[in-house]
Amino acid sequence: ILNVEQSPQSLHVQEGDSTNFTCSFPSSNFYALHWYRWETAKSPEALFVMTLNGDEKKKGRISATLNTKEGYSYLYIKGSQPEDSATYLCALSNFGNEKLTFGTGTRLTIIP
Amino acid sequence: DSGVTQTPKHLITATGQRVTLRCSPRSGDLSVYWYQQSLDQGLQFLIQYYNGEERAKGNILERFSAQQFPDLHSELNLSSLELGDSALYFCASSAQGGRPNEKLFFGSGTQLSVL
Repeated sequence: ILNVEQSPQSLHVQEGDSTNFTCSFPSSNFYALHWYRWETAKSPEALFVMTLNGDEKKKGRISATLNTKEGYSYLYIKGSQPEDSATYLCALSNFGNEKLTFGTGTRLTIIP
Repeated sequence: DSGVTQTPKHLITATGQRVTLRCSPRSGDLSVYWYQQSLDQGLQFLIQYYNGEERAKGNILERFSAQQFPDLHSELNLSSLELGDSALYFCASSAQGGRPNEKLFFGSGTQLSVL
């Protein structure tokens, strides 16, 4: 069983501030790391899939980095807006255990 | 709208009963995944089908079964239901290869309540 940990569990950020949170995972046999945004009453939506050590992906004000050697990924949100309020999930797959294992998420609330 | 359709949205039933959850993947996607989201738990992988064949199995109970039909829609059957089976069940699909580096597109989920 892969152990995917996300921190913090929840976060309140003032509108306009930037923020970041972490996904930690076992570094051995790494295959891919996914980030999803899950808004209340909606379904999870893919943000990024990263496969290479040092990968950086960006989508608007949201970006992510990946360090497969030390087993972590950061998600950054620049200039938070109310619509960024959601739960952010990361998910990992490894060679030999290729099904995606999800973390329990970071619940982000933007305070207007 | 992800293009993945799940029905029904809500299901209320009694212990011991059997239910069927239905999923239609995005047009062109061959892979279908089923996940269970319980309170305080992350998304738990149940099972994956690729082009009609079971590809991977997760923590799926023996009381649960699934299949993918020739038209690529999938059904998840839950039988002898227990209170603990109450959860949000998601279906997702991915593009042709069904490989772990492909994004998943999630349906809106079926909220199952077992009373």
